[in-house]
Amino acid sequence: DGGITQSPKYLFRKEGQNVTLSCEQNLNHDAMYWYRQDPGQGLRLIYYSQIVNDFQKGDIAEGYSVSREKKESFPLTVTSAQKNPTAFYLCASSTDRPYGYTFGSGTRLTVV
Amino acid sequence: DAKTTQPNSMESNEEEPVHLPCNHSTISGTDYIHWYRQLPSQGPEYVIHGLTSNVNNRMASLAIAEDRKSSTLILHRATLRDAAVYYCILWAGGTSYGKLTFGQGTILTVHP
Repeated sequence: DGGITQSPKYLFRKEGQNVTLSCEQNLNHDAMYWYRQDPGQGLRLIYYSQIVNDFQKGDIAEGYSVSREKKESFPLTVTSAQKNPTAFYLCASSTDRPYGYTFGSGTRLTVV
Repeated sequence: DAKTTQPNSMESNEEEPVHLPCNHSTISGTDYIHWYRQLPSQGPEYVIHGLTSNVNNRMASLAIAEDRKSSTLILHRATLRDAAVYYCILWAGGTSYGKLTFGQGTILTVHP
């Protein structure tokens, strides 16, 4: 079945360490997105990519980095510069229409 | 970007209809109205979308006011599995790979 796979589901990181969240899709979607969600809040866009080897900052890109070397993959690195990284991270992909958005099941990152 | 306003929470009983309102008084003529929902600890999923006319699908119905300044998502018979956060989102038609902006949404509680 086509879909988006995020791994791991839960991730613990020591303060000061970088960590990379994986996102893979087999839907043949051109666009991919990373969102962050804090408890009781809506989703906030971190980065998005409309094509391989190109990506743009979203609303809260500081302290994060991404790459898009393959159409299927859009990993997110949470760097030590991110002051409050504990959150639920969601990856999504889409066609050129927003009703084509498909989300992964998320990675819950906790800084210890 | 045009904004949407939704009630923070609503409650319903199982097997009763639910009407979830959304105000979007600054909507432009080319903005599409989308609804997504997010079950606990999962990524959002697409529910329905429309431009001017009312829409029906297997999950729900979307009623759009004649002036398009408001819309209502209708769940005809709520089940316990419909308990989720419902997001009303506008997307500017004609923009490729539209980035969806999620507000705080409406928390729907369904009582048995």
